[in-house]
Amino acid sequence: EPEVTQTPSHQVTQMGQEVILRCVPISNHLYFYWYRQILGQKVEFLVSFYNNEISEKSEIFDDQFSVERPDGSNFTLKIRSTKLEDSAMYFCASSEENQGDTSTDTQYFGPGTRLTVL
Amino acid sequence: AQTVTQSQPEMSVQEAETVTLSCTYDTSESDYYLFWYKQPPSRQMILVIRQEAYKQQNATENRFSVNFQKAAKSFSLKISDSQLGDAAMYFCAYRSNVRDDKIIFGKGTRLHILP
Repeated sequence: EPEVTQTPSHQVTQMGQEVILRCVPISNHLYFYWYRQILGQKVEFLVSFYNNEISEKSEIFDDQFSVERPDGSNFTLKIRSTKLEDSAMYFCASSEENQGDTSTDTQYFGPGTRLTVL
Repeated sequence: AQTVTQSQPEMSVQEAETVTLSCTYDTSESDYYLFWYKQPPSRQMILVIRQEAYKQQNATENRFSVNFQKAAKSFSLKISDSQLGDAAMYFCAYRSNVRDDKIIFGKGTRLHILP
């Protein structure tokens, strides 16, 4: 069964460093998302991406964050200058194009990347 | 704005027994989707069950079923014949019926299975 993959599984970085989290969505999917989950808290939406541009972003997704689909398979989240509060689990998700007028797509989540900022 | 509330931070159930996790939500929309996701200790998010708001029939997936009360904006998850592998964090989630809209999660309920 196709699945979303994410690399690395765990990333440790120093405060102020740049990190790139990578995701490979399911191959026929067209909608891509990043969510994050700070330890012990709920999962929060960061950004959605379609047709090579951001569809929606949350207040969390400030100028330090960017997303890119550099080729036909990868979807990346870059944090330019990490802060301690960026430590969290980051989930990538993807969904296929909806059929007709009814959005029946389901978002499938990757296993997550645990980011630790020291 | 839509919100999802899970009022039970933790629950325990004896193995082989049945447990119900509660969820309420708030929305002004009439067409949307509701989900239950399971997050085991590995922290991967696994879709357990999905309900379309326009469907009156409650969704079922093997031992998992929901009680969807649209007027009351309630969406509970029932797990029958609980197994040790069901121990996890369970998140109730909402998504409006808009192309590529985001998922809004509740805070989760941690389910313990007692052998």
